[in-house]
Amino acid sequence: AQSVTQLGSHVSVSEGALVLLRCNYSSSVPPYLFWYVQYPNQGLQLLLKYTTGATLVKGINGFEAEFKKSETSFHLTKPSAHMSDAAEYFCAVSDWDTGNQFYFGTGTSLTVIP
Amino acid sequence: NAGVTQTPKFQVLKTGQSMTLQCAQDMNHEYMSWYRQDPGMGLRLIHYSVGAGITDQGEVPNGYNVSRSTTEDFPLRLLSAAPSQTSVYFCASSYRSPGLAGGPGEQYFGPGTRLTVT
Repeated sequence: AQSVTQLGSHVSVSEGALVLLRCNYSSSVPPYLFWYVQYPNQGLQLLLKYTTGATLVKGINGFEAEFKKSETSFHLTKPSAHMSDAAEYFCAVSDWDTGNQFYFGTGTSLTVIP
Repeated sequence: NAGVTQTPKFQVLKTGQSMTLQCAQDMNHEYMSWYRQDPGMGLRLIHYSVGAGITDQGEVPNGYNVSRSTTEDFPLRLLSAAPSQTSVYFCASSYRSPGLAGGPGEQYFGPGTRLTVT
């Protein structure tokens, strides 16, 4: 069965500091990986996705993530945090072996300290 | 495009009542899904559909029914509400199902329905 682990349910960074949100997955076949962001009282919005090809993926709002097969990881980073980055972030995974389902992590709440 | 719309935004039910959460999309997406979001548990898949007339169960289907008579609409029915169904419900759609060649398309989410069962 698929699983997604997001280490750290809460992460705080200072404005201008590096943002690093961790995601590890379990999959016996090549995965498709996603990061979503959720602002308060809103639905989820896609930040970036990895399907095939280049393992470093760039997304919206300056975020990027790197697929590392050897570490089964897909960590999300941003070089310099902005106050507007404060939100909940979800990692999700799917692959052809899971049929037609997406699996989400439990989320990481990012706080940006001025 | 309105994208994915959900109604109502808020709902309070008494235990045992039934209701339908509405979801519609205007992007001609084949894949639609329902999730529930609970604190500390992320999003869990309730039911999904890969096209009109085709539905299947996700991770937490008990107590919920779905149907897909058109490409646009994917309502979620609570048959007999229980306090354990208090949650925020999200509907999502995608132009390509996860199981197809080329991988899944991006999921577009609705704004959610906050349901309280007393």
